[in-house]
Amino acid sequence: KQEVTQIPAALSVPEGENLVLNCSFTDSAIYNLQWFRQDPGKGLTSLLLIQSSQREQTSGRLNASLDKSSGRSTLYIAASQPGDSATYLCAVSSNYQLIWGAGTKLIIKP
Amino acid sequence: KAGVTQTPRYLIKTRGQQVTLSCSPISGHRSVSWYQQTPGQGLQFLFEYFSETQRNKGNFPGRFSGRQFSNSRSEMNVSTLELGDSALYLCASSVGTSGSLEQFFGPGTRLTVL
Repeated sequence: KQEVTQIPAALSVPEGENLVLNCSFTDSAIYNLQWFRQDPGKGLTSLLLIQSSQREQTSGRLNASLDKSSGRSTLYIAASQPGDSATYLCAVSSNYQLIWGAGTKLIIKP
Repeated sequence: KAGVTQTPRYLIKTRGQQVTLSCSPISGHRSVSWYQQTPGQGLQFLFEYFSETQRNKGNFPGRFSGRQFSNSRSEMNVSTLELGDSALYLCASSVGTSGSLEQFFGPGTRLTVL
């Protein structure tokens, strides 16, 4: 049974710092992995999708990597800004459904 | 191109009632998936529909059901509501049913059961 874990559960850093969020999964048989952000009380915003054959994807200040063999993905955020404050969720596409981590709540202090 | 839309955005019901939520996928998308998000359980998969057929189902009781119409719009129904059904219900659409395809999410319907 696929399980997805995100560490840490919460993170608070000063503005301007670079940071890394972690996501691990137990079964390497995945189609892809997606990173989302969710603002309080809101829906999901897709950030990056990495297909199982890919190693990384980049969008602006965000870079996501995928290591299927070790069951790990990281989301790197460069030069963090207060507007990056949100909950970040990773989800793996496995067995025709998305399996979700519990999220990392990120607070960027001005 | 319009995104995934969900109606209503907010809903308040009482225990024992039933509720129907609606999801309109992105034009051209034929697969619709439904997810429930609660503070305690996080995000959980409910079911997926493709070409009017339920293709996959999560671990939820039979009170949760859904359907998809020929225009790919989908509805989910929850009967005999319980307090624990209070949640954000999200739907997502994709072009097809392959696991490698990206899913695009709607804004969600927030259901409160009193």
